[in-house]
Amino acid sequence: QAQLVQSGPELKKPGASVKISCKASNYTFTKFGISWVRQAPGQGLEWVGWISASQGNPNYAQKVQGRVTMTTDSSTDTAYMELRNLRSDDTAVYYCARDDGQISAYMDVWGKGTAVTVSS
Amino acid sequence: ETVMTQSPATVSVSLGGKATLSCRASQSVGINLAWYQQRPGQAPRLLIYGASARATDVPARFSGGGSGTEFTLTISSLQSEDFAVYYCQQYNNWPRGSFGQGTKLQIK
Repeated sequence: QAQLVQSGPELKKPGASVKISCKASNYTFTKFGISWVRQAPGQGLEWVGWISASQGNPNYAQKVQGRVTMTTDSSTDTAYMELRNLRSDDTAVYYCARDDGQISAYMDVWGKGTAVTVSS
Repeated sequence: ETVMTQSPATVSVSLGGKATLSCRASQSVGINLAWYQQRPGQAPRLLIYGASARATDVPARFSGGGSGTEFTLTISSLQSEDFAVYYCQQYNNWPRGSFGQGTKLQIK
């Protein structure tokens, strides 16, 4: 079955950057997109952005616009999300999820999440 | 921005009972509405898309309905593994990934 495997937990200082990876397997990577969703401790789900695995064309949430870059590498079937100038309110579990390949829609396969902690 | 509002925040139902969760959109989203289940310590799981279509391997006791601005998720014959937090998400309007705040379904 389709699977997404994410990189391990990260501890960063305010102002630093973090880059999370999400490796896909058991499906044709370029036929879909990848969305990123985060969840702060004890809070609900927040959509961060989406990227087409074949065309790029990322869409970002306004809250992180200017600080986030999403990319994909079809040679390794891996998606990446880099978040810069980290703040304490970026502390969250970040999930990657398989989405539609043309436009952000619903997410049918999820990674287990990557915990990012921002603390001085 | 389309704001998704879920009610109630918490609902208590007995094993074997039926739960009805609501989700309201601040503007029409057509039928571009998904429901997710999240158990403690786990990633979300897609249950329903297109307002009423069950995702792969989702039991028939989960059903979704509604269109426009009002949606429901009904879970019948509740089993222990169904007690979790449920989120709705619209994907019709920008920003397309907006989620509701969640409804916690707990055992009565």
